Amino acid sequence: VQLLESGGGLVQPGGSLRLSCEGFGFTFSYYAMTWVRQAPGKGLEWVSAISGDTTTTYSPDSVKGRFTISRDNSKSTLFLQMNSLRADDTAIYYCARGTYAFLDHGNFFDSWGQGTLVTVSS
Amino acid sequence: SYVLTQPPSVSVAPGETATITCAGDNIGGKSVHWYRQRPGQAPVVVVHADSDRPSGIPERLAGSNSGHTATLTISRVEAGDEADYYCQVWDHSADHVLFGGGTKLTVL
Repeated sequence: VQLLESGGGLVQPGGSLRLSCEGFGFTFSYYAMTWVRQAPGKGLEWVSAISGDTTTTYSPDSVKGRFTISRDNSKSTLFLQMNSLRADDTAIYYCARGTYAFLDHGNFFDSWGQGTLVTVSS
Repeated sequence: SYVLTQPPSVSVAPGETATITCAGDNIGGKSVHWYRQRPGQAPVVVVHADSDRPSGIPERLAGSNSGHTATLTISRVEAGDEADYYCQVWDHSADHVLFGGGTKLTVL
């Protein structure tokens, strides 16, 4: 199992960025996927999650209306569209795989990518 | 909203036992997962469903969960255990994933 993120970089406040995460070595559609971020020197913060069949998405209020999670199972790829970016969105963004297709109390994240750095600054 | 509280830091001498707690309202009724993050690396799950260990994680790492506190206990601590540890639950009332603030384990 391998997850490879891409799309990070430097963006101005108010700008947009689209992150991608390609999965290798497993049947992508069988698993829920999530994005988790980590600001410099800070802890883990959950950003968004999506069920394996794409029908259900979840996100915290801190990003709702600005970030959109999606996936293309035919390409084994997870996306995070980030709009109206702010300085406090600066972080390493990790994608991670759940242990089955939907999110609930039993699901946890058993494989993680190495992360992609997003820097929001003028 | 549901909150998970961890101590910011725990220090222990090699060979001793480290105890990392994760407090939450009636957390004993939830399934708690623990992740280890070494500097510059992505997180790795070390305990899931309160007390189950993935393959490759030594028995020295043990989880428990009851009442308002979940606990990760690391016995016979080694230098390689030095890392940040995070607890995680699913908040079904909000359909949210929640992480604790993390605990930095320092091996003296």
